Amino acid sequence: DTAVSQTPKYLVTQMGNDKSIKCEQNLGHDTMYWYKQDSKKFLKIMFSYNNKELIINETVPNRFSPKSPDKAHLNLHINSLELGDSAVYFCASSLGSPAYNSPLHFGNGTRLTVT
Amino acid sequence: AQSVSQHNHHVILSEAASLELGCNYSYGGTVNLFWYVQYPGQHLQLLLKYFSGDPLVKGIKGFEAEFIKSKFSFNLRKPSVQWSDTAEYFCAVNARDRDDKIIFGKGTRLHILP
Repeated sequence: DTAVSQTPKYLVTQMGNDKSIKCEQNLGHDTMYWYKQDSKKFLKIMFSYNNKELIINETVPNRFSPKSPDKAHLNLHINSLELGDSAVYFCASSLGSPAYNSPLHFGNGTRLTVT
Repeated sequence: AQSVSQHNHHVILSEAASLELGCNYSYGGTVNLFWYVQYPGQHLQLLLKYFSGDPLVKGIKGFEAEFIKSKFSFNLRKPSVQWSDTAEYFCAVNARDRDDKIIFGKGTRLHILP
């Protein structure tokens, strides 16, 4: 009955490969996010979708492409992986926008290691 | 753009000591404020939040935080820490009248000695 679930938990791959991370939430939330946490634990927002519509797109390389088939799912596809992409990627969801007083619920993270 | 500063990068305390972790944000408008905790190997969990009303908010596990608007601060406190409080603590802000982003500070690593 995990609220926000991500797969895989660990992902080890070589430079140049293409990989995807999946996220699903069963909370009935309208908004989903991807955050990147670097080796120094710094969390930075990448994308946000509200009801399948992209609402936040930070300055992320276009090798990163989010896809939201429905409001319960937000997947992250990464093309041509680079060493600097190694990080922990967290999916999160909120009932509405944070502007409407709705905190984030996080998944357990996907640790991506690019060799 | 709004930003969040957490001045203490690494804090080491003994059990039963009192805790205060500093958080300052830079935004002059209306804000929502959050503290999240990340236990070793786990995901982030909400500790407490401030949206409006009483500037002293109480969260889970005995934590509280005080919003001082004039100081742009939202410091986290706990009167007596436990070994199980060892974790990374993140302050976060949302500029309510600006956009939907929640911006996180760089975190404070808290280590409690048994």
